[in-house]
Amino acid sequence: EVQLVESGGGLVQPGGSLRVSCAASGFTFSTSWMHWVRQVPGQGLVWVSHIKNDGITTTYADSVKGRFTISRDNAKNTLYLQMNSLRVEDTAVYYCTNDAGHAFHIWGQGTVVTVSS
Amino acid sequence: QTVVTQEPSFSVSPGGTVTLTCGLNSGSVSTSHYASWYQQTPGQAPRLLIYYTNTRSSGVPDRFSGSIVGNKAALTITGAQADDESDYYCVLYMSSDIWLFGGGTKLTVL
Repeated sequence: EVQLVESGGGLVQPGGSLRVSCAASGFTFSTSWMHWVRQVPGQGLVWVSHIKNDGITTTYADSVKGRFTISRDNAKNTLYLQMNSLRVEDTAVYYCTNDAGHAFHIWGQGTVVTVSS
Repeated sequence: QTVVTQEPSFSVSPGGTVTLTCGLNSGSVSTSHYASWYQQTPGQAPRLLIYYTNTRSSGVPDRFSGSIVGNKAALTITGAQADDESDYYCVLYMSSDIWLFGGGTKLTVL
């Protein structure tokens, strides 16, 4: 079964750090570009970051650039998002998704990140 | 700053046809933006409907179609059904490997 499963969300104080993970199965993760997308409850979807299959080429939305780092371990079929200097406005459901033809085909169920004091 | 625009809300009668659009605040949408469309119901992850502007994802009914209409990408639902009532998002691929979501359209079927 083709699947993405996010984990690692939780409650963190402003200025804190958190790493969320995404375990992939059922497709060839090592050749897939991957993305993180987030959604504040009740609001729209926002693209956050992208990483190519080489694990080297990455891009970020301006709102997270310099604070978030996307990475991957192709041997473990796992995608990561390291989030530093977290702000209240980073509170959201974080989804991982794969890329085929510049579109997001497979989605996880999301992991909830809450930034609050 | 580039913004992807969508109608905030739309209404369609059961069995009717509706076209949702996806534009840019400056410039035109073309096939080089690789427009894709997603359906999301409350509490669920998004579901890919259309990619490459007009290619239906696996399992998507053929009442959903994508196109370029004028200077915008468009999602047309022909013969709308009650369970099409959802939020619909478009995504455009921009240069330098940046993707932008539109603000979403809340579709009501009544």
